[in-house]
Amino acid sequence: EAQVTQNPRYLITVTGKKLTVTCSQNMNHEYMSWYRQDPGLGLRQIYYSMNVEVTDKGDVPEGYKVSRKEKRNFPLILESPSPNQTSLYFCASSRGTGALNTEAFFGQGTRLTVV
Amino acid sequence: DAKTTQPTSMDCAEGRAANLPCNHSTISGNEYVYWYRQIHSQGPQYIIHGLKNNETNEMASLIITEDRKSSTLILPHATLRDTAVYYCIVRVAYGTSYDKVIFGPGTSLSVIP
Repeated sequence: EAQVTQNPRYLITVTGKKLTVTCSQNMNHEYMSWYRQDPGLGLRQIYYSMNVEVTDKGDVPEGYKVSRKEKRNFPLILESPSPNQTSLYFCASSRGTGALNTEAFFGQGTRLTVV
Repeated sequence: DAKTTQPTSMDCAEGRAANLPCNHSTISGNEYVYWYRQIHSQGPQYIIHGLKNNETNEMASLIITEDRKSSTLILPHATLRDTAVYYCIVRVAYGTSYDKVIFGPGTSLSVIP
């Protein structure tokens, strides 16, 4: 089954404790991205990756890091989480961009709480 | 980057067609219009996309005006399970060095029995 898998689904952590949210897709997609969703602010793109070893900032990259060492995985790293990073996070992947792009597949989401 | 504007919320009677409008007056020639929906706090789900021609699939129809400054998503026979937030997105892409996706606040569609 084609899917994007995020882990964990729920996480409560303390300020400053490094964490990683994993994202994996099984569709051989080139494009992957991370979003956060907050009430009243909608979905905002954090980082995206056009292909292996190619990443770039989205709208709200501060406080986050990503890596794309292999095509299927795109982990989101919070080196020193703060309470303002409490949010619902989504990973997405798609086959390509522009005319080659058909649809993006989203993961089930990771609800992160930083206390 | 082209932005979109949508009504904040809409109601639709079950079984009727739901027509969701979207304005994207600054859209440029190589930008596609995409529609997604999000049911509760699940991951967004792709519905349909188009460049300038009208499109139809098993879920919905997309009508794009001739000047491409607005579009309408049509759910032909809305059901209670279509209650969701619907996002109209203009997709920007410049070769392989830049890609950005902008989600607006979307339209909260309530399908009423």
